[in-house]
Amino acid sequence: DTGVSQNPRHKITKRGQNVTFRCDPISEHNRLYWYRQTLGQGPEFLTYFQNEAQLEKSRLLSDRFSAERPKGSFSTLEIQRTEQGDSAMYLCASSLGTSGTIVAPHEQFFGPGTRLTVL
Amino acid sequence: SQQGEEDPQALSIQEGENATMNCSYKTSINNLQWYRQNSGRGLVHLILIRSNEREKHSGRLRVTLDTSKKSSSLLITASRAADTASYFCATDARNTGFQKLVFGTGTRLLVSP
Repeated sequence: DTGVSQNPRHKITKRGQNVTFRCDPISEHNRLYWYRQTLGQGPEFLTYFQNEAQLEKSRLLSDRFSAERPKGSFSTLEIQRTEQGDSAMYLCASSLGTSGTIVAPHEQFFGPGTRLTVL
Repeated sequence: SQQGEEDPQALSIQEGENATMNCSYKTSINNLQWYRQNSGRGLVHLILIRSNEREKHSGRLRVTLDTSKKSSSLLITASRAADTASYFCATDARNTGFQKLVFGTGTRLLVSP
């Protein structure tokens, strides 16, 4: 399967614990995105990487959240001291990059998501 | 925060009927995309329409875009039970320098056999 993969698919944790999710994008894609989706809502942008550089972070990403993409391939999203409000589906997407300053509308390919439940 | 809203929030139709969903957004855009999400799963890209296009077709899908009204519609013709899913519009705002998608609130479509 050459699509975007995410692990784990489900995570149940107790409040105050740390959790880490992994995303493996499509291999030739240099752009990677994290979104969060709560029940009944559309996904909301969290952060964006071009290669290994984290270029944009949403205000939704509090200091308890950290994302990395150390070698420009897979990415991890860690949530420290989880709260019940962190319960959501965390989606990862990847896309082809662009050259220069021209932004082309490349399709984002989404993974199946990691569903987090904080008790 | 969500870019805009979709209307209706939920739609229930019979197989063979057409389904129309509307999306409104707030800011100037580069393009607008429609995604489908089956229950509890990731999103699947359906179709993209650029800001300088007014209508686009792909199979049983027809998308329109009215930038003056900041709105779009998705028409699914001859619906099938397999079309049951949530449908989201997503906009790619101008001048962000990268493709940050801002999603609407979604329409839940139920197609009954």
